[in-house]
Amino acid sequence: AQSVAQPEDQVNVAEGNPLTVKCTYSVSGNPYLFWYVQYPNRGLQFLLKYITGDNLVKGSYGFEAEFNKSQTSFHLKKPSALVSDSALYFCAVRTINAGNNRKLIWGLGTSLAVNP
Amino acid sequence: EAQVTQNPRYLITVTGKKLTVTCSQNMNHEYMSWYRQDPGLGLRQIYYSMNVEVTDKGDVPEGYKVSRKEKRNFPLILESPSPNQTSLYFCASSGGYEQYFGPGTRLTVT
Repeated sequence: AQSVAQPEDQVNVAEGNPLTVKCTYSVSGNPYLFWYVQYPNRGLQFLLKYITGDNLVKGSYGFEAEFNKSQTSFHLKKPSALVSDSALYFCAVRTINAGNNRKLIWGLGTSLAVNP
Repeated sequence: EAQVTQNPRYLITVTGKKLTVTCSQNMNHEYMSWYRQDPGLGLRQIYYSMNVEVTDKGDVPEGYKVSRKEKRNFPLILESPSPNQTSLYFCASSGGYEQYFGPGTRLTVT
């Protein structure tokens, strides 16, 4: 079965420090990988994606993520956290063999708290 | 502004009273989808649509209906809502790889 795991329910980091939010996946075939962020009472906002090519992808708001095929991971990173980065982060995967359905398989989310 | 809109944002209703949650996108996307978000279960796909008049079931379609008569609109219909459909609902659209989400509709069925 295809799945996405976000092993940490919550991550706490001090403002200005680097942050990492972890994601591992299990799919058949090559994956398309995504990170989304959800602020309170808001919808999900797209941050970045890995489709093919360079394993390090850069996205919105200074975030980046590294695709590691051997470890089946796609960790989200940011060199210097801001208080405004505090939110709920979701990792998602879509398989290339999904046919017409662009369904995303979602992790359960990681709550990031950046402390001033 | 490119966006996906949903209405209503909040709805409290009673068991069995038919309701419709509207979804509209202004990006001319062919693909649209509905998800529900529940604690401990994450987001799960209810229905999706590849284009006008083309819809198909997702993972949790029971108790829901959809229609796609126009490209921009993809309403979610609950013919006879039940308490287990209390959830946060998101509509999404896509013209490529990433999906764009509406602000969500928080539905409570008593």
